[in-house]
Amino acid sequence: KAGVTQTPRYLIKTRGQQVTLSCSPISGHRSVSWYQQTPGQGLQFLFEYFSETQRNKGNFPGRFSGRQFSNSRSEMNVSTLELGDSALYLCASATAGLGYEQYFGPGTRLTVT
Amino acid sequence: GESVGLHLPTLSVQEGDNSIINCAYSNSASDYFIWYKQESGKGPQFIIDIRSNMDKRQGQRVTVLLNKTVKHLSLQIAATQPGDSAVYFCAENPLDSGNTGKLIFGQGTTLQVKP
Repeated sequence: KAGVTQTPRYLIKTRGQQVTLSCSPISGHRSVSWYQQTPGQGLQFLFEYFSETQRNKGNFPGRFSGRQFSNSRSEMNVSTLELGDSALYLCASATAGLGYEQYFGPGTRLTVT
Repeated sequence: GESVGLHLPTLSVQEGDNSIINCAYSNSASDYFIWYKQESGKGPQFIIDIRSNMDKRQGQRVTVLLNKTVKHLSLQIAATQPGDSAVYFCAENPLDSGNTGKLIFGQGTTLQVKP
């Protein structure tokens, strides 16, 4: 079974620009969660989507948004990029329900200059 | 606020020895805990999980112990191998996640295995 895929793997953007990252979950998984990983803050939860609906959201500004499509693929968007948005953005997929295993993709490394 | 933390940022062990990685959590109402392993350049990899109605769970060469009294979680790795070198994270599914996939991660412990 193919794992979680994320595209692109690396991205360099300039302050003020916007960016869209993509995540394809494992086949059959309906939940997709997004996390930001930085050396200083560690892994922080951004949001989770299930059946095209956002079920939970972390403490990030409104510049961070996401969506999920009917095939469970998900995108996250960051508008008006700031230097502090430089991070590894990880996507995780899971089947459903409380306490289910989340499988992570390799991440997208975003650098904002 | 809630947090999941690890006691030591770095743990160095000899190949073949057993490793114990510790984690303290603050949300006593959390129901589900997971250990992840992250190698350089990769996303976190699921190792083992445990629910709050259990004290111990074993996998292949790994054991997770949960002590709800002191809100402590540990990961034991038997016969540590060079391939075990990585950063290990504990994660918690907090009560306010409302039956969703929100996980709160600890800061991570780097395990270094000496040959």
